[in-house]
Amino acid sequence: QVTLRESGPALVKPTQTLTLTCTVSGFPLSTTGMCVSWLRQSPGKAPEWLAYIDWDDDKYYTTSLKTRLSISKDTSRNQVVLTLTNMDPVDTATYFCARIKVAAGDAFDVWGQGTIVTVSS
Amino acid sequence: DVVMTQSPDSLALSLGERATLNCKSSQTILHGSNNRDYLSWYQQNPGQPPKLLIYWASTRESGVPERFSGSGSGTDFTLTIDNVQAEDVALYYCQQYYPTPPMYIFGQGTKLEI
Repeated sequence: QVTLRESGPALVKPTQTLTLTCTVSGFPLSTTGMCVSWLRQSPGKAPEWLAYIDWDDDKYYTTSLKTRLSISKDTSRNQVVLTLTNMDPVDTATYFCARIKVAAGDAFDVWGQGTIVTVSS
Repeated sequence: DVVMTQSPDSLALSLGERATLNCKSSQTILHGSNNRDYLSWYQQNPGQPPKLLIYWASTRESGVPERFSGSGSGTDFTLTIDNVQAEDVALYYCQQYYPTPPMYIFGQGTKLEI
């Protein structure tokens, strides 16, 4: 069974750096055709894709946040880490990690439950 | 910028009716490598992550009831729910994927009510 679980701080102050961890079970991160992505969703809004990392360690970022985002993976722990620098109240959202399955139209086929992050002083 | 526009914003139906949810892309999303439309549909209930229903515009994800079907190509896509059930009340999002550079865009969502 494939599961993803997000972890990280629930509250960060403006200008701080957010670090989130996605712990993956059920498939190795080195599996060809499998990628792990981070998305976020503000209340009442559609999900917003942030970044993804593929089996070959290639990394891709949404253009609007590219200068603030970094994604990496630890294959020994089967974890994917996202950092977002210079946090602002507008970054308050639920942050999800999700698997991208190339064989399923590069869609997000398995999602974590999400972690709520609030940016406030 | 690519924009995905869903219509209607909300839809109220009676049990057993057919739901038709539309999604329009400002740019075609047909990929030359395999001639497929990289358009997916998701269902989201309150407090839950989105759930994948359809990918490649019309391929149903494993375990998704047959009453859910996807159609369309190019810039215009439709999610159809036949014989709407109470458990189908949710938000539905379309999402497209562009490979170069990689980019995922979601529509604003359609709320289905009974």
